[in-house]
Amino acid sequence: DAKTTQPTSMDCAEGRAANLPCNHSTISGNEYVYWYRQIHSQGPQYIIHGLKNNETNEMASLIITEDRKSSTLILPHATLRDTAVYYCIVRQEGMGANNLFFGTGTRLTVIP
Amino acid sequence: SQTIHQWPATLVQPVGSPLSLECTVEGTSNPNLYWYRQAAGRGLQLLFYSVGIGQISSEVPQNLSASRPQDRQFILSSKKLLLSDSGFYLCASSNYQNIQYFGAGTRLSVL
Repeated sequence: DAKTTQPTSMDCAEGRAANLPCNHSTISGNEYVYWYRQIHSQGPQYIIHGLKNNETNEMASLIITEDRKSSTLILPHATLRDTAVYYCIVRQEGMGANNLFFGTGTRLTVIP
Repeated sequence: SQTIHQWPATLVQPVGSPLSLECTVEGTSNPNLYWYRQAAGRGLQLLFYSVGIGQISSEVPQNLSASRPQDRQFILSSKKLLLSDSGFYLCASSNYQNIQYFGAGTRLSVL
């Protein structure tokens, strides 16, 4: 699987957009970008995933660069409950024992 | 989406005692199932995964074992716990899109 690089930590003011970057320069053509988050002492939660087109759902937007070497997760209006560790993962979609490698992620702190 | 039930939420066990953590899945059939462990402040480490009943693959050698007696039941066990087995244990299930759904986790303290 391609490796991802994320900043260790970020702060964001409550109500503002949180933009979390991820570099995945070795991504291959059939690998998707997945984002999860983990709120303290809870299990990780799936947020969004995409291949090359930008994606949006009720939680967030995912912007993938044209060369697919990096992406940005956008939380449009961050709340205090969005404080969590955010993980960017690159993996193939599809069946099989597709374990996801969770690195150390980005610790996002939303400030009142 | 799938729902993962994990229990207990917290567990304190003495060194040398046995362990059994249970995980059940709702909302899907024939899922891939996973057991992860997370040390404090660290990422997730995959311990076991299963693609079907009775099929278990181990990712790292350790003091733990896993079993899948039913399609939507995954059990993590140990005959004798070690201090190093302490951690946050997470069960997960994945769908055809490789989206993983996690349980709430079990925080195990071995004393």
